[in-house]
Amino acid sequence: AQSVTQPDIHITVSEGASLELRCNYSYGATPYLFWYVQSPGQGLQLLLKYFSGDTLVQGIKGFEAEFKRSQSSFNLRKPSVHWSDAAEYFCAVGGSTGTASKLTFGTGTRLQVTL
Amino acid sequence: KAGVTQTPRYLIKTRGQQVTLSCSPISGHRSVSWYQQTPGQGLQFLFEYFSETQRNKGNFPGRFSGRQFSNSRSEMNVSTLELGDSALYLCASRIGLAGGPFNNEQFFGPGTRLTVL
Repeated sequence: AQSVTQPDIHITVSEGASLELRCNYSYGATPYLFWYVQSPGQGLQLLLKYFSGDTLVQGIKGFEAEFKRSQSSFNLRKPSVHWSDAAEYFCAVGGSTGTASKLTFGTGTRLQVTL
Repeated sequence: KAGVTQTPRYLIKTRGQQVTLSCSPISGHRSVSWYQQTPGQGLQFLFEYFSETQRNKGNFPGRFSGRQFSNSRSEMNVSTLELGDSALYLCASRIGLAGGPFNNEQFFGPGTRLTVL
């Protein structure tokens, strides 16, 4: 069964500081990996995705993530956080075949940004 | 291109009632999935529809059902509502069921907030 672990429930960083959100996954085959962001009362916005190829993927809003197969990790990073980045971040894993593509989400990491 | 739309955005119901939620996918997307988001259980997959047929199903009781129309719009129904059904229900659409990255990127709507009293 597929699963996602986000070990940090809540993280606080100062504006301008760097950020790393951790994500570990379990999946029996080639995973598709995603990071989504959710602002209060809103739906999910896709930040970036990994399907194959280059293990460092770039996303929107200056985010990047690195896929490490040996560690089953897909950590999200941003070199300099802005106050508008405060939100909840979800890592998700999905299958590579059409019918197996339901997303399994982690429990989320709530990011607070102090000024 | 318009995004995924969900109606209504907010609903208040009482225990025992039933409710129907609606989702219109992005134009050209033929697959619609539904997810439930609660503080306790997080985001959980309910089911996926493609070509008016349920193709994938999560671990929810039979009170949760859905359907898809020929224009790819989808509805989700919850019967005999329980307090625990209070949640944000999210709909996501993708192009199709074929494998590969092109078909596997899911786009989410803003959700319907259901409160059961």
